[in-house]
Amino acid sequence: ETGVTQSPTHLIKTRGQQVTLRCSSQSGHNTVSWYQQALGQGPQFIFQYYREEENGRGNFPPRFSGLQFPNYSSELNVNALELDDSALYLCASSPRGGSDEQFFGPGTRLTVL
Amino acid sequence: QQQVKQSPQSLIVQKGGISIINCAYENTAFDYFPWYQQFPGKGPALLIAIRPDVSEKKEGRFTISFNKSAKQFSLHIMDSQPGDSATYFCAASTPEYGNKLVFGAGTILRVKS
Repeated sequence: ETGVTQSPTHLIKTRGQQVTLRCSSQSGHNTVSWYQQALGQGPQFIFQYYREEENGRGNFPPRFSGLQFPNYSSELNVNALELDDSALYLCASSPRGGSDEQFFGPGTRLTVL
Repeated sequence: QQQVKQSPQSLIVQKGGISIINCAYENTAFDYFPWYQQFPGKGPALLIAIRPDVSEKKEGRFTISFNKSAKQFSLHIMDSQPGDSATYFCAASTPEYGNKLVFGAGTILRVKS
């Protein structure tokens, strides 16, 4: 059984640019959630996708957007990058919509200069 | 109301000792309480989880104690080992909020050999 994978591992962007992060969910999982983890803090919920639809959103501005594909993989897009967007971005997958168990990928470290 | 407060911020324990990390919550709608372990540069890994209908759950050296009336739960690591040195996060979720995980701020555990 393949776990959650994310790409790229690291990314460096400059302020104002746009970035796309990718996530492949664990086999058999149809729900994907994205979290932002700033240095020294706990992860903060960005949004969740279930069956290709957004299924809940945290306190993040609209320049954070996402997508889920028919194979349940997902993308996180961030426009107009700000310095404060520098963080570890984590993707977590769940076995089914409404399940509370979430399994995290290794994350993508984004640095905004 | 959606906060989860975690303490201590950091903890140093001798090898073979017991590590205890505490969390408190306000929202009584929370019904799932997982603990995650995170090593530097890695994503959080689900360690153990509990629901409010039981007061204790044990898996190997890891035990969750849950006090519903006090709205508190804790992680006990018995016979702590240097390999347990990591950051530990408590979290909580409820179907009311789409099962998004609300994390504590984390506890950095160091086990001295």
